[in-house]
Amino acid sequence: GQQVMQIPQYQHVQEGEDFTTYCNSSTTLSNIQWYKQRPGGHPVFLIQLVKSGEVKKQKRLTFQFGEAKKNSSLHITATQTTDVGTYFCAGNSGGSNYKLTFGKGTLLTVNP
Amino acid sequence: GAGVSQSPRYKVTKRGQDVALRCDPISGHVSLYWYRQALGQGPEFLTYFNYEAQQDKSGLPNDRFSAERPEGSISTLTIQRTEQRDSAMYRCASSLTPGHPGNTIYFGEGSWLTVV
Repeated sequence: GQQVMQIPQYQHVQEGEDFTTYCNSSTTLSNIQWYKQRPGGHPVFLIQLVKSGEVKKQKRLTFQFGEAKKNSSLHITATQTTDVGTYFCAGNSGGSNYKLTFGKGTLLTVNP
Repeated sequence: GAGVSQSPRYKVTKRGQDVALRCDPISGHVSLYWYRQALGQGPEFLTYFNYEAQQDKSGLPNDRFSAERPEGSISTLTIQRTEQRDSAMYRCASSLTPGHPGNTIYFGEGSWLTVV
């Protein structure tokens, strides 16, 4: 079945440093979504990418979808302590527009 | 309500007992999803409803797991004859329209199940 791999599993940064997490799918995706889960919280939807090569920005966050629609990345510029949490990518494939396959997530910790 | 509401938030049960987990989606949301999330993992798809119809139950691990949404709103996930391996966070989510691209999915706080 479809697999979604995410690296790194953990990332610790100093406040102000940049952060990037990468997501790779074993199959071509119809779309990819990114979620943030604060410690003890629930996944919160951040964004969805649909088009090949798409790039979207939300303030300090930049999301990219690969040309082959099999990989994606999330880059945070100048991290803040409020960025702490686990970032998950999740993809739809195989014609399904509802069944998300999640990666294991990247836990980001920020040292103030 | 303002968000997806799940109950109980925490459930400890003895092995072999049945448990029922409840989900109250955001008012007016057509689609409802159940996911399971183990510690340190991403959510894993269990099942999906549009209105009262269960469209996909391919993620349910075995026939001890079942779900229903009889009136197209509140849903119940039932686990019969619980086993220790069933221990996990069970998350419900809902969305306004059936899986349309760009359709935001809202997760609930989850129900922590511990089987002892």
